[in-house]
Amino acid sequence: QQQVKQSPQSLIVQKGGIPIINCAYENTAFDYFPWYQQFPGKGPALLIAIRPDVSEKKEGRFTISFNKSAKQFSLHIMDSQPGDSATYFCAASTVHNDMRFGAGTRLTVKP
Amino acid sequence: DAGITQSPRHKVTETGTPVTLRCHQTENHRYMYWYRQDPGHGLRLIHYSYGVKDTDKGEVSDGYSVSRSKTEDFLLTLESATSSQTSVYFCATREGREQYFGPGTRLTVT
Repeated sequence: QQQVKQSPQSLIVQKGGIPIINCAYENTAFDYFPWYQQFPGKGPALLIAIRPDVSEKKEGRFTISFNKSAKQFSLHIMDSQPGDSATYFCAASTVHNDMRFGAGTRLTVKP
Repeated sequence: DAGITQSPRHKVTETGTPVTLRCHQTENHRYMYWYRQDPGHGLRLIHYSYGVKDTDKGEVSDGYSVSRSKTEDFLLTLESATSSQTSVYFCATREGREQYFGPGTRLTVT
């Protein structure tokens, strides 16, 4: 079964919009939550990551919001651009680095 | 791709044939991983290595074996390929908690 549930499967926004991708987990041993960005024909690349002792982390236009009590975290992309069109994966890992990935969200940003 | 190369990048093989995929890293990272990526499943861990000759199974290890004789190389072998092993395979290395992925190998088993 999927230990990290990701939604939506696909998302289309206009340039400048704020796409939001959500993930939920059950295993409370997870203590590291990265997001990966993947372009067609390429490997996933680490975008941003958060640990459960903070509720929000920003890096440029990308923000992770984390809700420990709800066991949910989300990625927001501010002022989205066509170049942000890619597949995004959330993930979660324990201290033993047993990393589990969500199923992915295909984002399209229309010009 | 953080100094990770994979070979071959594309391969088509027939059911029942053995296949070996190679991952090479230049980062001297201790941990290396093999994942498969399938639509609707994200990435799933096949096997990983925590040092030369030290390997362990992941979530979907059936039908796969690995070997690591040098820090920089991690091999994934399908002893007898099946159509269910058609997938894109990614190698990754780890530094701290961060994993870095190679460019992938697209394998088609006919």
